[in-house]
Amino acid sequence: EDKVVQSPLSLVVHEGDTVTLNCSYEVTNFRSLLWYKQEKKAPTFLFMLTSSGIEKKSGRLSSILDKKELFSILNITATQTGDSAIYLCAPSGSGGSNYKLTFGKGTLLTVNP
Amino acid sequence: DAGVTQSPTHLIKTRGQHVTLRCSPISGHKSVSWYQQVLGQGPQFIFQYYEKEERGRGNFPDRFSARQFPNYSSELNVNALLLGDSALYLCASSFTGDYGYTFGSGTRLTVV
Repeated sequence: EDKVVQSPLSLVVHEGDTVTLNCSYEVTNFRSLLWYKQEKKAPTFLFMLTSSGIEKKSGRLSSILDKKELFSILNITATQTGDSAIYLCAPSGSGGSNYKLTFGKGTLLTVNP
Repeated sequence: DAGVTQSPTHLIKTRGQHVTLRCSPISGHKSVSWYQQVLGQGPQFIFQYYEKEERGRGNFPDRFSARQFPNYSSELNVNALLLGDSALYLCASSFTGDYGYTFGSGTRLTVV
């Protein structure tokens, strides 16, 4: 059975802090790993990672994938209150003709002013 | 361009009733996937459709069914509602179904 474990489950920091969110996974026929930010309802796309060791960056956010050790990290530097959200890790795998995302429980990040 | 639209945004149903949730994908996207997100958990895969054919199904009972129409919109049907079906139901569209998923804002279903 596909499995995704995110840690920590929750985190409270002050504005300006740097945070690292972790995701370990086991999925059948792995294709890629996606990170989403969920504030109220719709998860919004952050990154898609397909290759090991290549860091992807978007502003203060960055992420990297290790396909050998089956994990990924999401870093946020100089956190802001607007970064408060649930961060979801979702590896994509396939079973036959179907492709699905398997989500972790998420990390609830709270950034205090 | 409009994103993924879902309707209704909220609804309340009674145990044993039936519900239909609707999803319109991004224009040009041919695949729709449905996910259930229970409070405190990540979304869980229910179905994937591509070109009107079911491509895959998650670990959900037969009370859950779905279909995709020629215009690529989709419906998720749930029969004989249980309290445990209360959740946020998310629809995700993509061009081919294997990457590039965009989520809608979801339908919040409460079963009482």
